[in-house]
Amino acid sequence: NAGVTQTPKFRILKIGQSMTLQCAQDMNHNYMYWYRQDPGMGLKLIYYSVGAGITDKGEVPNGYNVSRSTTEDFPLRLELAAPSQTSVYFCASSYSRDTGRAQYFGAGTRLSVL
Amino acid sequence: DQQVKQNSPSLSVQEGRISILNCDYTNSMFDYFLWYKKYPAEGPTFLISISSIKDKNEDGRFTVFLNKSAKHLSLHIVPSQPGDSAVYFCAVNTGFQKLVFGTGTRLLVSP
Repeated sequence: NAGVTQTPKFRILKIGQSMTLQCAQDMNHNYMYWYRQDPGMGLKLIYYSVGAGITDKGEVPNGYNVSRSTTEDFPLRLELAAPSQTSVYFCASSYSRDTGRAQYFGAGTRLSVL
Repeated sequence: DQQVKQNSPSLSVQEGRISILNCDYTNSMFDYFLWYKKYPAEGPTFLISISSIKDKNEDGRFTVFLNKSAKHLSLHIVPSQPGDSAVYFCAVNTGFQKLVFGTGTRLLVSP
């Protein structure tokens, strides 16, 4: 069971470039999330989705877009990359009826914008 | 304004002793509280959670205590092992299972 898979693991972008961070889960979870973690900080929620076709903004959505066309996939799009988007990005998923409210995370994508 | 605070950036403990990690929160309406462990170059791993209607939850060596009047959460690890060395994040559920995380405490367990 792969869990939550993120690709790529590392990426360097130039200012103004665009890219898509991929996230896929095979646990049939209905909820999915994107977080970013800056050095010495906790994770901050960028966007989340409660099901296919439904997305909403989190705490830090500016500069990002998401889509959720299937239950399994939740890609994060960066348009016009800026140095402030240098961070580690984590995708997570959860099941709405999980009594422990746990989210399960991928291994992360480390992004540098230079 | 930080909704979740972990005031100790680091903690060092000897193997076999108890590790106590602390977390404070601001909103008494939060309904679930969670602890995650994170190793370098890996994603956070869920450890244990507690509902706001309870004051204690145990899972093996890990126990979470919730003091609602003080808005305080703690994680006890007994006995501590070198493999427990990691960064520990507390998190609160703010609805739709959206989590707000603290800044983390780095635990070092020495042999």
